[in-house]
Amino acid sequence: QKEVEQDPGPLSVPEGAIVSLNCTYSNSAFQYFMWYRQYSRKGPELLMYTYSSGNKEDGRFTAQVDKSSKYISLFIRDSQPSDSATYLCAMKKETSGSRLTFGEGTQLTVNP
Amino acid sequence: NAGVMQNPRHLVRRRGQEARLRCSPMKGHSHVYWYRQLPEEGLKFMVYLQKENIIDESGMPKERFSAEFPKEGPSILRIQQVVRGDSAAYFCASSPPALLNEQFFGPGTRLTVL
Repeated sequence: QKEVEQDPGPLSVPEGAIVSLNCTYSNSAFQYFMWYRQYSRKGPELLMYTYSSGNKEDGRFTAQVDKSSKYISLFIRDSQPSDSATYLCAMKKETSGSRLTFGEGTQLTVNP
Repeated sequence: NAGVMQNPRHLVRRRGQEARLRCSPMKGHSHVYWYRQLPEEGLKFMVYLQKENIIDESGMPKERFSAEFPKEGPSILRIQQVVRGDSAAYFCASSPPALLNEQFFGPGTRLTVL
């Protein structure tokens, strides 16, 4: 069983829609949660970083962590065609140095 | 401040040859990580280094792969006697000592083994 599960999609939405991206995980040792955006043939770009349970908002992006359910989400409001990319969730165990464990990524297309 | 730099961006090797991938971290970053992204798969951790030290190499294949981060110069990921299964995108990330939870990625090196 994979430590981090993420629906690979693809997910296609119209411009202006609210997008919900999700990951589940099996290991309760994960404490730090990140979302990366990766455009085609590019390196991942850090979007959001949260510690433990709760919400964090940054512009049109909201990251949500529910440790009791081992479930994290990224919401994108007023989605734009420029948001079209692959979104990767990543997690880190507090005691394991700085190794990140990634989900497989969800491919998102926002149609104008 | 320049981002993480990787070179070459594309590398083609024949089976049995050696591949050397280079990574220059962001200025002020002394922690370097290497990840591999196979086709249709997510990023997989390979190795975590600080200057002159390997901190965690639990994701590295036991044979043919090695990594270093010398006191001077870039970090090097070396793959000896490459096989077709080594074809992948190899990404380097770096973080500063005070922000170990934030890793900034380079553009990657795409290795193709013929």
